[in-house]
Amino acid sequence: GDSVTQTEGPVTVSESESLIINCTYSATSIAYPNLFWYVRYPGEGLQLLLKVITAGQKGSSRGFEATYNKETTSFHLQKASVQESDSAVYYCALGRGTNAYKVIFGKGTHLHVLP
Amino acid sequence: NSKVIQTPRYLVKGQGQKAKMRCIPEKGHPVVFWYQQNKNNEFKFLINFQNQEVLQQIDMTEKRFSAECPSNSPCSLEIQSSEAGDSALYLCASSLAGANTGQLYFGEGSKLTVL
Repeated sequence: GDSVTQTEGPVTVSESESLIINCTYSATSIAYPNLFWYVRYPGEGLQLLLKVITAGQKGSSRGFEATYNKETTSFHLQKASVQESDSAVYYCALGRGTNAYKVIFGKGTHLHVLP
Repeated sequence: NSKVIQTPRYLVKGQGQKAKMRCIPEKGHPVVFWYQQNKNNEFKFLINFQNQEVLQQIDMTEKRFSAECPSNSPCSLEIQSSEAGDSALYLCASSLAGANTGQLYFGEGSKLTVL
């Protein structure tokens, strides 16, 4: 079946350090999944961080980047220099169109950034 | 800040009691979804609507939950007879219709505790 596996947290890094949160997916019933990173900041709702709908392309937002790699079925989230305000829970997800039943979320990775 | 409004933020019920949650989707979004997020951060799709019509729902939703999205009123999700295993964060999300990237816009959720 379809699934998303991501780095188990919590992940703790110091401010200005680099970050990578791994995400791999299995999409047996979705031919060409769209890939997303969602984020939940403390006290806020889940919101889209970035999305990529074409294999080989890179998405970026707020200094974060992720590349859709169809060969390795991966969509790792990276940032060169994190800030304390990046502390949040990050969710990798795959989906297709508006069929939300096929929007599959990972379990989330809790990121703590130390000042 | 979320433009999808969910109420109440918290509710506490005894086993066997009804539990009702409401959601106002983002303006102009005809598609509404309900997800259940458990204490392990796992997302479970429950049901989705386009305008007032149910698109898909899982078996559990069909049997123990009732949901609707009437025109000009908030959408709602009601558990007819709460069980301890229903304790979770219930997330409402909305999106545009059509073949798009499947991006969801989430509310902050309603956290249900069943004693």
